[in-house]
Amino acid sequence: QSALTQPPSASGSPGQSVTISCTGTSSDVGGYNYVSWFQQHPGKAPKLMIYEVSKRPSGVPDRFSGSTSGNTASLTVSGLRAEDEADYYCSSYAGSNNHVVFGGGTKLTVL
Amino acid sequence: QLQLQESGPGLVKPSETLSLTCTVSGGSISSSSYYWGWIRQPPGKGLEWIGSIYYGGSTYYNPSLKSRVTISVDTSKNQFSLKLSSMTAADTAAYYCARLWLQFLVFDYWGQGTLVTVSS
Repeated sequence: QSALTQPPSASGSPGQSVTISCTGTSSDVGGYNYVSWFQQHPGKAPKLMIYEVSKRPSGVPDRFSGSTSGNTASLTVSGLRAEDEADYYCSSYAGSNNHVVFGGGTKLTVL
Repeated sequence: QLQLQESGPGLVKPSETLSLTCTVSGGSISSSSYYWGWIRQPPGKGLEWIGSIYYGGSTYYNPSLKSRVTISVDTSKNQFSLKLSSMTAADTAAYYCARLWLQFLVFDYWGQGTLVTVSS
């Protein structure tokens, strides 16, 4: 069982927006602004999409955005495109003992 | 461009110790800005952080794996390594090495991963 809880699946049609949630506790998501999101296509390594809750690395489209509210973080993908179909994982710093925790992943399907 | 490359056996027998090495190129492992970590992913499942190491040797381990994990660093070779003892079928996974950017506590660069199967 993963430390952070994500819905197993999400879907949307091309052009639509979809939001994926990531629920933790006050010891991780709610305690630090160090939430990140990764995109993973089949057979590939995870790719960083969002860090420090809402920052985008160079080259990541601004269609991807992140936010937090309490112990829950969210990733929103706007203007869905076929290439956005992938697994998405959230991650959070969890203090000096657990250090880094991940969510169980959400499979995003573009209908 | 920073690159990380995992190397090691693809097949390990039950009860044996897994040894993997991550070679870093395009940057120095001896930077004060980063830790270096291992993450694994069982087939069809989610990501699990194994542990991280600083170039000076300081380590952090996942409490659930701590009794079986050793991570070490060789700055002269720009490499860091993972040893996981008492392997079982539950340890079958893709193993990734990655750079942990300390300023934002995020794994920003990842290796391509290597699949390790535990079987006799």
